[in-house]
Amino acid sequence: DAKTTQPTSMDCAEGRAANLPCNHSTISGNEYVYWYRQIHSQGPQYIIHGLKNNETNEMASLIITEDRKSSTLILPHATLRDTAVYYCIAPTQGGSEKLVFGKGTKLTVNP
Amino acid sequence: NAGVTQTPKFQVLKTGQSMTLQCAQDMNHEYMSWYRQDPGMGLRLIHYSVGAGITDQGEVPNGYNVSRSTTEDFPLRLLSAAPSQTSVYFCASSFRRTGGYGYTFGSGTRLTVV
Repeated sequence: DAKTTQPTSMDCAEGRAANLPCNHSTISGNEYVYWYRQIHSQGPQYIIHGLKNNETNEMASLIITEDRKSSTLILPHATLRDTAVYYCIAPTQGGSEKLVFGKGTKLTVNP
Repeated sequence: NAGVTQTPKFQVLKTGQSMTLQCAQDMNHEYMSWYRQDPGMGLRLIHYSVGAGITDQGEVPNGYNVSRSTTEDFPLRLLSAAPSQTSVYFCASSFRRTGGYGYTFGSGTRLTVV
């Protein structure tokens, strides 16, 4: 997998946008960027993925820089239930069959 | 759809015992994977499969066996349980899609080896 670098922890106020950065400077042209989160001891939850273009779904937006060396996950209106560990992953081997998780970013949403 | 179903949810084993952790999905997903998560740690990939009859090793395969005889099922076998295998085990599945697709995870099996 392309190496990804994320901050260890971040804080965000409830109702504000949470912007979680990820560096993936060694990513190659056909590697997607995936974001997952894990709330407490639950199983991880898929959030969003993208290749080149920005993506948006009902959970979040993904902004990928033009050179694809970094991306930002945006939770537009963070709630207390968004407190979780967020993982940025760039799988290799041509697809998403082998996901290797790093340490992720612990996001704490404060009231 | 039930999604990804893992059984049992909790299990206590004695050192040296063997057991099988069950994982089943009803979404017709091609990809399936097993992860373990130790307390305060991230997830580590044990084994994965890209389709029935095809499996491969992940980061930490030692002490575990898998098989994929059907699309739906991907059991994980602990051959001779050791205290170091005390962990939470997650199974996950995904479609194989050219444009990528996200994995769906089960709720986990919490295993304690004494």
